[in-house]
Amino acid sequence: DGGITQSPKYLFRKEGQNVTLSCEQNLNHDAMYWYRQDPGQGLRLIYYSQIVNDFQKGDIAEGYSVSREKKESFPLTVTSAQKNPTAFYLCASSSKYRETQYFGPGTRLLVL
Amino acid sequence: ILNVEQSPQSLHVQEGDSTNFTCSFPSSNFYALHWYRWETAKSPEALFVMTLNGDEKKKGRISATLNTKEGYSYLYIKGSQPEDSATYLCAFQSNAGNMLTFGGGTRLMVKP
Repeated sequence: DGGITQSPKYLFRKEGQNVTLSCEQNLNHDAMYWYRQDPGQGLRLIYYSQIVNDFQKGDIAEGYSVSREKKESFPLTVTSAQKNPTAFYLCASSSKYRETQYFGPGTRLLVL
Repeated sequence: ILNVEQSPQSLHVQEGDSTNFTCSFPSSNFYALHWYRWETAKSPEALFVMTLNGDEKKKGRISATLNTKEGYSYLYIKGSQPEDSATYLCAFQSNAGNMLTFGGGTRLMVKP
């Protein structure tokens, strides 16, 4: 089945710790995106990548980093510089930049 | 930062009722307006992509209209069913950067 997988479903972070959220797609899509959702707010764009080995900051990139070494993978690292990381994180992909985005099931990050 | 508003924030209806909700977005630099349905514990699912002023799209009992000159889109559900219960998201895509800017969503609950 083609789709987008995210792991883990729940992730716990300790103070000062970096954690990495996984996003994999087998849709052969060029573009991939990371969004954050906080209660009562819309999805906000963290980073996006239009093509392998290239990525751009979104609206709220501070405290996050990404890599795009393979077409199918776009991991997101939440660094210790992100002071309020508790949120729901969604990964998405699209065939090309500008096309309809397809979403994964999300990862909920909680701080211990 | 672009302003995309959805109203109401939440809506409770009885099975069989028809309902509608609104997405307001900037009337300049329009490229597309996206509607997504997000059921609990699932991934957001694309419903419609609307690009032309006056566009009307339909999928089963769900339809949407678009007015780009005044910056709004309506989503209609005819004869709501319990399985329609979900959060409905709209996302504005501008022709300057093409990123999606999401509204906060309308949470629909349909009582049997």
